[in-house]
Formats: sequence, C-alpha cells, structure tokens
Amino acid sequence: AQTVTQSQPEMSVQEAETVTLSCTYDTSESNYYLFWYKQPPSRQMILVIRQEAYKQQNATENRFSVNFQKAAKSFSLKISDSQLGDTAMYFCAFMKQAGNNRKLIWGLGTSLAVNP
Amino acid sequence: NAGVMQNPRHLVRRRGQEARLRCSPVKGHSHVYWYRQLPEEGLKFMVYLQKENIIDESGMPKERFSAEFPKEGPSILRIQQVVRGDSAAYFCASSEQSSYNSPLHFGNGTRLTVT
Repeated sequence: AQTVTQSQPEMSVQEAETVTLSCTYDTSESNYYLFWYKQPPSRQMILVIRQEAYKQQNATENRFSVNFQKAAKSFSLKISDSQLGDTAMYFCAFMKQAGNNRKLIWGLGTSLAVNP
Repeated sequence: NAGVMQNPRHLVRRRGQEARLRCSPVKGHSHVYWYRQLPEEGLKFMVYLQKENIIDESGMPKERFSAEFPKEGPSILRIQQVVRGDSAAYFCASSEQSSYNSPLHFGNGTRLTVT
C-alpha cells in the first residue's frame, strides 16, 4: 500500500522569503504522479503543482517548484518570494498510474503561515 | 464555467438522522470522487463513480454509507443513522475523463457536524 508522509505539521516564513515543505512517500509502483495541493481557510482544495514520476525534470509553476528525488522517494515543495496569500494548509498527494481510477493518497498536511 | 458545486456548505444532524450531501460536477464531467477529511487529518478516498456506476468504493464504510451518480442530476453521498464520528468535511472532485492529463476539480466541501 502507498503512504505519504509530511513530517512538518506547522511551518512559518516571513513574507518575501523562501520556504521548503517536505514530503516522502512509499510505493512499489514505478509509474505514478505526485501533487501538492493548497487548502486556504476557504477550504477549497487547489492544485499547486504536479510531477510525473517518469520525468526527471523538476516541475515548476511560477514561484512554486519541487525537488523530486525518485530514488529517495522524496517530493519537497519550494515556495519562493512567499506572499501572505500563501498562508494555507499544504497537502502532498500520490496517485498511481494504473487503470482509470485516479484515487489520491494524501499526507496529513503542513500548515504554513506567512508572516508580514 | 461553474466549478464543482457542493451543497450544503454546512450540515448539522443529530445522531441517528440521515445526511445527504450533493455534488454537481463541472458540466460535462462524468467522473466523480468523494473524499472525507477528518479533523487534523488529510483526505481519505471514499468512492469513485462514473455516470450510473460505482467503480471503486473501497474507501467507503460498508454500513450506513452509500453513493450514487445518476444519469441526470448531482452525485449524492448518503449517510444513514449518523454518529459523532461521521463529523468531517466531505469533498467531491470531478474530471472530464479518466485520463491522467484531465485535471481534477475540487468543490469547497460540505462540513458535516453530528450533535
């Protein structure tokens, strides 16, 4: 069975600085996807970034980038130039690439506070 | 284009009552997923449905819980005889296809409180 671990329940960062959220996972699958989702106080789940396991290049989306280490089963999220609006819960999630069931396995989340 | 619409946003039920949670997927989406988020926990997969079919219900409790996604109308997650442990946020997500390139769209969730 797949598991996703986020070892940092809470983090804080000063506005405009950089912060890295960690995520490790366990799987025997070779093909899969990894995601970071953001959940602000509004509770909506928003996709931040996605990585296909077969791609060696780390995904980037504007101020958000990942450090994907497949052998180490690590998938950290880096937020550059942090903004107040980045304050939210961040969830790391895993999806195996098999069949047509896109079931996500989630970590417990990291609560990020961006301080002015 | 409207996103995934879930209603109600908040639902309060007494123990023993029934809870019905509705999810209207993005127009044209035929794949629906339900997740439950317990306090201080991440989301847990419950059930995956396509129009009129349950594809995977491995995450849904065998008793008291049921889900449907009829040909017409929203997907419904039904919880009978609710207990306090059912208090959680329930999220629905939809996609157009099962393809991995088709993004998942999440609703804002329904927060169920059982008193």
